[in-house]
Amino acid sequence: AQTVTQSQPEMSVQEAETVTLSCTYDTSESDYYLFWYKQPPSRQMILVIRQEAYKQQNATENRFSVNFQKAAKSFSLKISDSQLGDAAMYFCASLNNAGNMLTFGGGTRLMVKP
Amino acid sequence: NAGVTQTPKFQVLKTGQSMTLQCAQDMNHNSMYWYRQDPGMGLRLIYYSASEGTTDKGEVPNGYNVSRLNKREFSLRLESAAPSQTSVYFCASRQDSGNTIYFGEGSWLTVV
Repeated sequence: AQTVTQSQPEMSVQEAETVTLSCTYDTSESDYYLFWYKQPPSRQMILVIRQEAYKQQNATENRFSVNFQKAAKSFSLKISDSQLGDAAMYFCASLNNAGNMLTFGGGTRLMVKP
Repeated sequence: NAGVTQTPKFQVLKTGQSMTLQCAQDMNHNSMYWYRQDPGMGLRLIYYSASEGTTDKGEVPNGYNVSRLNKREFSLRLESAAPSQTSVYFCASRQDSGNTIYFGEGSWLTVV
């Protein structure tokens, strides 16, 4: 079984500043995948970034990067140069190796102040 | 490029009524999923299908049935709707290599 925990229900950041969203997970698998999804008020689930557990290098997508600490089972998301459009719910998720179980955390609501 | 398409987008049901949520993907993916999202919470897996003709229960399957008659389509049926099934329902499919999961836009269901 997998569990994903997001300990920050809400975060706020000033426009153009940097913010880090926390995520910890627990899994008994050696191979798995980790994701961050963005969910704006429209409720659409938008993939932000993905990390394969077997890769040591942290994933990066433009202004979004992760800090993947496998031993600590931690997967935080860093958003640089925050923009008003980044305001949304952010969900951390873990996919097992078989691909039949994508488990989500409870989400973090990010507010961006102009 | 449609991706994952869900219908209907909005539905109001009376307690005890039945309905089917339809989902179709045009990406030739084998794996498909149905999730529900309750207010202020993350998504929880209802059912999973690894391929045509196969389905497995997820975390919250009670009150639901699914059908995967072909590779493209994966439907979710509520036989006797209950107010506790008021939620937003998401269908998703998974890329066979790379494990990227694509979501539909969601179906808002209210049971009164």
